[in-house]
Amino acid sequence: GAVVSQHPSWVICKSGTSVKIECRSLDFQATTMFWYRQFPKQSLMLMATSNEGSKATYEQGVEKDKFLINHASLTLSTLTVTSAHPEDSSFYICSATGGYYGYTFGSGTRLTVV
Amino acid sequence: GNSVTQMEGPVTLSEEAFLTINCTYTATGYPSLFWYVQYPGEGLQLLLKATKADDKGSNKGFEATYRKETTSFHLEKGSVQVSDSAVYFCAFIYGGSQGNLIFGKGTKLSVKP
Repeated sequence: GAVVSQHPSWVICKSGTSVKIECRSLDFQATTMFWYRQFPKQSLMLMATSNEGSKATYEQGVEKDKFLINHASLTLSTLTVTSAHPEDSSFYICSATGGYYGYTFGSGTRLTVV
Repeated sequence: GNSVTQMEGPVTLSEEAFLTINCTYTATGYPSLFWYVQYPGEGLQLLLKATKADDKGSNKGFEATYRKETTSFHLEKGSVQVSDSAVYFCAFIYGGSQGNLIFGKGTKLSVKP
């Protein structure tokens, strides 16, 4: 079946630094990838949708300059949190769709900014 | 607009108890319906799905039936186990199989031995 690998699974960084999170589809071509943010005890909030080779579409209220999304190939999308601050601490989850495969989720990344 | 409403948790049950988590949706057209499960510290896993009215999705002892007349997709399991402790999300897709996925707020289930 379809597998999406997300890396790293957790990361701690200092305030002001940038962090990159990778999302890879291992056995299918992901024409579309989604990035979600999950706050404690809350549902998933869609941050942005990206299609391979084109700019990401951000949801209202999500700062595109802060959350940089790149979908350069059919198997890889990256989310870079720039100049991270403690309020960016959260659980980030990617998802990919493509071909015959519906939504397949990564295992998530726990970001802690100190 | 399109939305999913699921029962608020947390739900705490004893092992072998019967589980029901209610889910209703508001959508135009004929969405596909899903239940996802999130174990502590992990991402989401697809638990089951149904793509048309009266379909029953099932997996790992969980079942849910697509009820178009009541726009519901309640999750049930006859006998829960401690290992079922997780957060369960009801969701649907509109706009085709790779369209927008709309989630409910999630229901946390805790099963005690």
